[in-house]
Amino acid sequence: KNEVEQSPQNLTAQEGEFITINCSYSVGISALHWLQQHPGGGIVSLFMLSSGKKKHGRLIATINIQEKHSSLHITASHPRDSAVYICAVSKIDNNNDMRFGAGTRLTVKP
Amino acid sequence: DTGVSQDPRHKITKRGQNVTFRCDPISEHNRLYWYRQTLGQGPEFLTYFQNEAQLEKSRLLSDRFSAERPKGSFSTLEIQRTEQGDSAMYLCASSLDSSNQPQHFGDGTRLSIL
Repeated sequence: KNEVEQSPQNLTAQEGEFITINCSYSVGISALHWLQQHPGGGIVSLFMLSSGKKKHGRLIATINIQEKHSSLHITASHPRDSAVYICAVSKIDNNNDMRFGAGTRLTVKP
Repeated sequence: DTGVSQDPRHKITKRGQNVTFRCDPISEHNRLYWYRQTLGQGPEFLTYFQNEAQLEKSRLLSDRFSAERPKGSFSTLEIQRTEQGDSAMYLCASSLDSSNQPQHFGDGTRLSIL
């Protein structure tokens, strides 16, 4: 079983919809990361969090340490949000050791 | 700050050939990471440098793979005697030398083995 599981694998939404992507992990972590990967490969770090909630523009990330679960929300989705969203964790015993989920492919249709 | 740059962006080669990729990290970043990503999967850790020292290597890094960071700045990843299974995106990332600093990723080198 992968140490980081994401759901759903694929998500298609209409422009304007509220989107939620979920991430569960099974190891002790020092931080959780949400990353965005566009076609062509480039990865951009969206959030790094170890507790609570962070907001940046239309993006919100939450984490529940006790339940080992995080969610990424996108409000008022737009076609330019179409990308693969990857959840990753830095392990608590070695924060250089990052483990990645398989990613959620989001397509937002106009 | 020009970000992390990787060269080449794409590499197509025949099985059995050697390939070398280059990564230029953000200039003040001491830490440099190499990852491999296959289609439909998240990145997998290959190796990590703190300045010029290679501190960790994944078991994924067979003896055909070697990475260097000779002056603590740019890094190279070489794959010898390439195999079909080496086809993947090879990603480089760098970060500051401090706990829980975000990693900044390059655009990757996509390797295709014919």
